[in-house]
Amino acid sequence: GESVGLHLPTLSVQEGDNSIINCAYSNSASDYFIWYKQESGKGPQFIIDIRSNMDKRQGQRVTVLLNKTVKHLSLQIAATQPGDSAVYFCAENLGGTGNQFYFGTGTSLTVIP
Amino acid sequence: KAGVTQTPRYLIKTRGQQVTLSCSPISGHRSVSWYQQTPGQGLQFLFEYFSETQRNKGNFPGRFSGRQFSNSRSEMNVSTLELGDSALYLCASSLARGYGNTIYFGEGSWLTVV
Repeated sequence: GESVGLHLPTLSVQEGDNSIINCAYSNSASDYFIWYKQESGKGPQFIIDIRSNMDKRQGQRVTVLLNKTVKHLSLQIAATQPGDSAVYFCAENLGGTGNQFYFGTGTSLTVIP
Repeated sequence: KAGVTQTPRYLIKTRGQQVTLSCSPISGHRSVSWYQQTPGQGLQFLFEYFSETQRNKGNFPGRFSGRQFSNSRSEMNVSTLELGDSALYLCASSLARGYGNTIYFGEGSWLTVV
């Protein structure tokens, strides 16, 4: 049958504000998670990762929160800049499946100058 | 350190033809995995290679195949191309397999089937 395009959630924020991007993952057995940023015409770029034995991890201007109880992941970007405009994906890895990751549908972030 | 390199970046093929895409992983990385990205299905896992052996395979038909060489470089092949194979094909490399191995992507190969 005819495939339907994925509905990509969108988020628009003012430059300098904080952004929060959410992701619901599917498998309670997933034990490793990565956030990627993908700019138009480019491949996904690693931002930050978190293992299931943690609930928070911080990087430069970014923080990832993991709530295993409700299978929810979030990415917080502090002081969002125009260069942060991109599509953001969360990816989950099930234990024992090597490097096979399952990706969310992505969120399109637009930063308004 | 050079990142993951994929060639060619862009190509156009005709239905029924076959195509081979190439991937050079980050130096020292031994695992290579391939993903297909389309607007309709998003990012989907194709297969993973480690030590020249296919370790995992996604839910794709047998027309999609791959291999890995002793220097960890990898190729994927799609035979009897269909219009629906038009996509961005992404290669990702990782140091090893197992818990907590980050995968790093290349810029991808854009395939258009006409």
